[in-house]
Amino acid sequence: EAQVTQNPRYLITVTGKKLTVTCSQNMNHEYMSWYRQDPGLGLRQIYYSMNVEVTDKGDVPEGYKVSRKEKRNFPLILESPSPNQTSLYFCASSWTVAAEAFFGQGTRLTVV
Amino acid sequence: QQQVKQSPQSLIVQKGGISIINCAYENTAFDYFPWYQQFPGKGPALLIAIRPDVSEKKEGRFTISFNKSAKQFSLHIMDSQPGDSATYFCAAITSGTYKYIFGTGTRLKVLA
Repeated sequence: EAQVTQNPRYLITVTGKKLTVTCSQNMNHEYMSWYRQDPGLGLRQIYYSMNVEVTDKGDVPEGYKVSRKEKRNFPLILESPSPNQTSLYFCASSWTVAAEAFFGQGTRLTVV
Repeated sequence: QQQVKQSPQSLIVQKGGISIINCAYENTAFDYFPWYQQFPGKGPALLIAIRPDVSEKKEGRFTISFNKSAKQFSLHIMDSQPGDSATYFCAAITSGTYKYIFGTGTRLKVLA
């Protein structure tokens, strides 16, 4: 089954404790991206990757890091989480940017 | 210039009615305009998409109308059903920049 898998689904952490949210896709897609969803603000792009080892900033990259060492995986790293990073996070993948994006189930992160 | 303005924020429609959601943009370089549907607890899923060389696209009860000169596009849901109750996001993409810009979302409720 074609899918994008994020882990964990729910995470509560403390300020400053490094964390990683994993994302994996099984469709051999080249384009992957991370979004955060906040009430009233919609989905905002954090980082995207056009292919292996090629990443770039979206609209809200501050406080986040990504890497793309393999085509299928695109982890999101929060080196020092802060409460303003409490949000619902989605990973997505597609053949290219202007094509149907397949989203993961989301990760609800709370930073206290 | 990179924003996509979506309205209304919420919409209540009677079963069988027409739901209309509007989006406006400024950047004339956008070349792909998808609409995504999101149910509670799920990631967004592509509903329908259009490119600027087409003024209208219909898939079942869902239609995108695209007005290039006005820089607006809209989603029409004909014969709205309670199962259509969800949050809808428009988006705009410029293939050359690889960035995905989403609207702020419309929460649709269809009354039985």
